[in-house]
Amino acid sequence: NAGVTQTPKFQVLKTGQSMTLQCAQDMNHEYMSWYRQDPGMGLRLIHYSVGAGITDQGEVPNGYNVSRSTTEDFPLRLLSAAPSQTSVYFCASSPRQGSEAFFGQGTRLTVV
Amino acid sequence: ILNVEQSPQSLHVQEGDSTNFTCSFPSSNFYALHWYRWETAKSPEALFVMTLNGDEKKKGRISATLNTKEGYSYLYIKGSQPEDSATYLCAFREGSQGNLIFGKGTKLSVKP
Repeated sequence: NAGVTQTPKFQVLKTGQSMTLQCAQDMNHEYMSWYRQDPGMGLRLIHYSVGAGITDQGEVPNGYNVSRSTTEDFPLRLLSAAPSQTSVYFCASSPRQGSEAFFGQGTRLTVV
Repeated sequence: ILNVEQSPQSLHVQEGDSTNFTCSFPSSNFYALHWYRWETAKSPEALFVMTLNGDEKKKGRISATLNTKEGYSYLYIKGSQPEDSATYLCAFREGSQGNLIFGKGTKLSVKP
């Protein structure tokens, strides 16, 4: 019963490098989303998807790309990492937009 | 940007104490209010999803109430235990197509 699986758990990048955070869910949920968690801030929505082939921007989308080619997978791409992207990233899935969210274990990303 | 406020920011109680905290949200175009528990080094897990004014939900020693007209929800923990130590997040959903907007959380520490 895997639920939402995020990889990697930890990552250190140099400024300017690119990388992809992986997220997969096995619950056949329509809705998937990416959040970042910063000290003193709530979870902030980066991008979301209401179904395969459909993505949209959240509150803080700049510097990130997403795609949703399958129901199961929703990768988050950092095109050119910046120190401001140092954060903890959470992927979540829900049966529908706005319904109960199931979170992955998080990825702690440090950009130096 | 919608504002979801949680208070207090942190709370320290003794084992056996009962406690409560508040989530305030916009009272217009309400659709749902979620509560999540977030233990250190884990991912947030849903406690309650509340949709109707006057809703009361209960899970063991934890309960929640909802007032959509005045825009607040209370989370109560009766007889706190050390294992209740966690950050409690609320999330507001505006409208049927809305994403979840999270508060910054209340961090609860229960001392044995």
